[in-house]
Amino acid sequence: ETGVTQSPTHLIKTRGQQVTLRCSSQSGHNTVSWYQQALGQGPQFIFQYYREEENGRGNFPPRFSGLQFPNYSSELNVNALELDDSALYLCASSLASWNSYGYTFGSGTRLTVV
Amino acid sequence: GESVGLHLPTLSVQEGDNSIINCAYSNSASDYFIWYKQESGKGPQFIIDIRSNMDKRQGQRVTVLLNKTVKHLSLQIAATQPGDSAVYFCAENSLPHDKVIFGPGTSLSVIP
Repeated sequence: ETGVTQSPTHLIKTRGQQVTLRCSSQSGHNTVSWYQQALGQGPQFIFQYYREEENGRGNFPPRFSGLQFPNYSSELNVNALELDDSALYLCASSLASWNSYGYTFGSGTRLTVV
Repeated sequence: GESVGLHLPTLSVQEGDNSIINCAYSNSASDYFIWYKQESGKGPQFIIDIRSNMDKRQGQRVTVLLNKTVKHLSLQIAATQPGDSAVYFCAENSLPHDKVIFGPGTSLSVIP
C-alpha cells in the first residue's frame, strides 16, 4: 500500500482521442509529479504541480496538460493521442517540492494507443 | 542537456553474492542522487539516497557510493536475495527545478 492511487490501471484508446488519467496523492502531500515510462526505459518527467500550480515541465508538447485539485488529487490529460503515447504513466506525490526522498509513486496507468 | 545513464543494462548474480549496479551522470550541478527499485507491475520504490557532499551512505544491505570526480554512482547490494530481482534506476535531482531525472535502468536477476 503506497498511499498513491492511480486510475484506471489499464486503458486502451484510439489514435486521435483524448484521455484523462487520475491520481490520488498520499494524504497531506502538496506536490505531484507525472512521469511517462515507455517499455524498457526509465520514467521521463512530464511536469510537476505544487499547490495547484505547474512547477516545472519536461520536454513534452502542450497536448500533455495537468490539473491539481485542493484535495491534492490530480489529473493528466493528453489530447490528440499518438501511437508513441503508449506507455506506463506514473504519478508521484511528496510533501515538499524540494525533497525527492519523500516521493511516493503509484503503480501507474498502462495506456495503449491503437 | 542533463542525462543519467547506466553502464550495464542487465545483471545476473547468484543468490547470496553481492551485486554492484553502476550509473553515470552528466550534470555536475546535480546535488542529490537516488536509487529506485521497480518490480513488475509496480511504480518505482525508494531504496537509498545520497547528497553531493557525501561519498558513501549505507542502508540495510545496500550501500551507495558517489564519485563526483568522474560523475559516477553505484549501488551495492549485499547477500543478494531472490526478492531483489527487479529493475534498478539511478536518478538525480537538480535544484531549483526539483525534477527527478531517471536513468534507463538495470535489470537485476538473482539465480537461486
